[in-house]
Amino acid sequence: EDQVTQSPEALRLQEGESSSLNCSYTVSGLRGLFWYRQDPGKGPEFLFTLYSAGEEKEKERLKATLTKKESFLHITAPKPEDSATYLCAVLEDYKLSFGAGTTVTVRA
Amino acid sequence: NAGVTQTPKFQVLKTGQSMTLQCAQDMNHEYMSWYRQDPGMGLRLIHYSVGAGITDQGEVPNGYNVSRSTTEDFPLRLLSAAPSQTSVYFCASSYSSRGAYNEQFFGPGTRLTVL
Repeated sequence: EDQVTQSPEALRLQEGESSSLNCSYTVSGLRGLFWYRQDPGKGPEFLFTLYSAGEEKEKERLKATLTKKESFLHITAPKPEDSATYLCAVLEDYKLSFGAGTTVTVRA
Repeated sequence: NAGVTQTPKFQVLKTGQSMTLQCAQDMNHEYMSWYRQDPGMGLRLIHYSVGAGITDQGEVPNGYNVSRSTTEDFPLRLLSAAPSQTSVYFCASSYSSRGAYNEQFFGPGTRLTVL
């Protein structure tokens, strides 16, 4: 049974068109939820960690939020350089379980 | 400060061959881990280590061995390569000995093909 499910699988946006990515999880003892960005041919790069429901964090055009069942990554007025695959991971028993990712393409 | 380095970047093996994927970090991190990434499946944990001399299995450990003789190095050994091990392998490290509680720094990956 999948612990972490990300949707949609792919998202195509026009530059400036805001949108949200979803990460839903089923772990019972969540110790933290992580967002990473991965560019083609490279390793994931850390973006945010959220530890409790209601927590929010922002970085440039990205904002991550957390509820008891899911997390959202909001992309506001995206630019082409925001094109990447965004990975969500949940921490349980000191180990991370990753979702399959959402590939975002932003067209100029 | 090189961060997390992995060698080789690419490797092609024949079924049954063995090899070692190298991983090193220069950040004095306690926690190190190996993941494999397959299309549509996300990253899956193979083995991890919370410090020198301590290793444990992750989600998909079969066919892989690890050891951690120093803080800096965490090699992954494929004992007898199989086509199912064709994947991209990532090594990661974190400064906390409490496992992956803190952000992990990932290496650039090794793309392995087993024929």
